[in-house]
Amino acid sequence: SQQGEEDPQALSIQEGENATMNCSYKTSINNLQWYRQNSGRGLVHLILIRSNEREKHSGRLRVTLDTSKKSSSLLITASRAADTASYFCATARGDDKIIFGKGTRLHILP
Amino acid sequence: NAGVMQNPRHLVRRRGQEARLRCSPMKGHSHVYWYRQLPEEGLKFMVYLQKENIIDESGMPKERFSAEFPKEGPSILRIQQVVRGDSAAYFCASSASGGTYEQYFGPGTRLTVT
Repeated sequence: SQQGEEDPQALSIQEGENATMNCSYKTSINNLQWYRQNSGRGLVHLILIRSNEREKHSGRLRVTLDTSKKSSSLLITASRAADTASYFCATARGDDKIIFGKGTRLHILP
Repeated sequence: NAGVMQNPRHLVRRRGQEARLRCSPMKGHSHVYWYRQLPEEGLKFMVYLQKENIIDESGMPKERFSAEFPKEGPSILRIQQVVRGDSAAYFCASSASGGTYEQYFGPGTRLTVT
């Protein structure tokens, strides 16, 4: 069964704006990860946030985690055309595998 | 420092044939995962292997699919008697430690069954 569900399914914004994607999950987790997939390519790991962390930054990326609401958000600031991709959250429980959501398709308009 | 390598990148098989997908993990990684992705979908976990051992195959169909990760050589995902529904992108990932750490993905193999 799907553990993480991203919202929205698709998002189009103007270049330079901020993009926010959300992920909700159902069971308790050890960590939550965000990945990016460019069309026709493999996934690239972006950031990992542990269950005892609330916020993490990496360059233009900011990830928050609210374990009480079982949700996470990924914020991309000052978006660029190269940010156009699908973004997936993946949750890690204690059973040695991570479960991916269906992803948010982000399109940056020029 | 080569990343995860998969071959072939594209594979076309007729119904009933066998498909063999190969994955070489990153240097130093001994944990390999296989995923299947259908168009517009996320990745579905198939199997998790360490060298010579299958750790978790809960996502693998019970029939026709098998995976191995021998002591020497790449990990192999084998699909026997392929059907049209097997058409998908198959991704391999590797990690240095157990499955809850970041995984590094290969470029995928796109299987088309005609």
